[in-house]
Amino acid sequence: DIQLTQSPSFLSASVGDRVTITCRASQGISSYLAWYQQKPGKAPKLLIYAASTLQSGVPSRFSGSGSGTEFTLTISSLQPEDFATYYCQQLNSYPRTFGGGTKVEIK
Amino acid sequence: EVQLVQSGAEVKKPGESLKISCKGSGYSFTSYWIGWVRQMPGKGLEWMGIIYPGDSDTRYSPSFQGQVTISADKSISTAYLQWSSLKASDTAMYYCARRARNVYDAFDIWGQGTMVTVSS
Repeated sequence: DIQLTQSPSFLSASVGDRVTITCRASQGISSYLAWYQQKPGKAPKLLIYAASTLQSGVPSRFSGSGSGTEFTLTISSLQPEDFATYYCQQLNSYPRTFGGGTKVEIK
Repeated sequence: EVQLVQSGAEVKKPGESLKISCKGSGYSFTSYWIGWVRQMPGKGLEWMGIIYPGDSDTRYSPSFQGQVTISADKSISTAYLQWSSLKASDTAMYYCARRARNVYDAFDIWGQGTMVTVSS
């Protein structure tokens, strides 16, 4: 199985901050990576696929980059509704594993 | 509206069997893979497996192979996740999700989740 390691696992930030989350894959996965946002008590929501393509309806303050084994999710200016847990998922091979998650909390 | 609607919360005893469901609407159910994802209390997401309702082609994570069965009834646009003998460690929220129909096959539509509690 491909392992995905997210860092940090916890992040404290203020509204307006620029936030970057990293996802590292245990082997190369080209651009086969997605990012999801999950708020408490809710199902995950797809933000980005193909490492950098924004899902329809997702605000442009979210962006993704990377290929191979290292990927980043950036929120350019954190908004109150962005406080949530973020997960990466590799789409390269079965099983389609998820990273451990990064919880973004209010400072 | 494209949506997946899951069956309601379940409370079961260890050793009991269970089948939970996920009904798709607003799209061609037989043309998209449906996956299942486990989230144990306070923990992250775990990919369990996936089924193509068009021909019931199924893939499992090795971690869940033999522990659960994924099936689908295309006549009623419903996918299922079932256990033959539940354990306390099966206590979790279970989500179904539709896999996008492109080469970057992320889960683009999610069900609301079904909470399964297994306790004696």
